[in-house]
Amino acid sequence: SSELTQDPAVSVALGQTVRITCQGDSLRNYYASWYQQKPGQAPVLVIYGKNNRPSGIPDRFSGSSSGNTASLTITGSQAEDEADYYCNSRDSSGDRWVFGGGTKLTVL
Amino acid sequence: EVQLLESGGGLAQRGGSLRLSCAASGFTFNSFAMSWVRQAPGKGLEWVSSIRGSDASTYYADSVKGRFTISRDKSRNTLYMQMNSLRAEDTAVYYCAKVVVVTTMEDAFDVWGQGTMVTVSS
Repeated sequence: SSELTQDPAVSVALGQTVRITCQGDSLRNYYASWYQQKPGQAPVLVIYGKNNRPSGIPDRFSGSSSGNTASLTITGSQAEDEADYYCNSRDSSGDRWVFGGGTKLTVL
Repeated sequence: EVQLLESGGGLAQRGGSLRLSCAASGFTFNSFAMSWVRQAPGKGLEWVSSIRGSDASTYYADSVKGRFTISRDKSRNTLYMQMNSLRAEDTAVYYCAKVVVVTTMEDAFDVWGQGTMVTVSS
C-alpha cells in the first residue's frame, strides 16, 4: 500500500501532551517525517528520521516509530502549536513519496 | 540563508500549459534532490515529482505522469516544472522543496518555498 493514514482532528489542553499518529505499510521500511502547517503558510519540517529536529524546532516536539505506525509527540503543548500536521515517507517502491491526509491539532 | 522562491503560477485554460520555476540560494544546489509538492484549495499535501541531484533521475506521481516534466538547471540554481495538458484537478498551490537525506531509510523535505498558485479554468 502507498497510503498513510492520520486521524483528521485531535485536541489537547494547553500544557498537556498530545500524540499524533500515522499508519502505513511503507513505515515498516522508511521513517516518517512530520510537517507543521499554519493557515496561509508553507509547511515546516518539525521531525524527520529516527527522531531528528531541524534547527529552531522546540524540543517539545519528538518522533517515534513502531511497526507500521509513526508518532509525533508534543510534550507541553503551546497555543502556537495549533496547526495542521502531515506525515510523509517514501512509498513501498522507494521511488516516490506519500503524505498522510493531515491532522488538525486544536489547543484548548 | 537557504531560500527557495517559486514563480510562474497563474491562470491557465484546461488543456493548456504552464512552466513553474524555483530559484534556489544559500546551499549547493547541485548536491541535493529537489521536489514539487502541491496543495489543492482546502486539501492536504500531495507529492508531485522529484529529481535527484546526482544523476537527475526523475520520479512522478501517477496523477501527473506523462503530463508534467521536472528539470533543473545547475548553472542557474533553478528547478522547473513544465505542466502540459492541464486539468481542473491540477488547481493548487505548488511548493518546491529541498530534500535532505540522512540514510536510505530517512529523508525529508527540509526547506520549502512560499508556493505559487496555479488555477486551471474549465
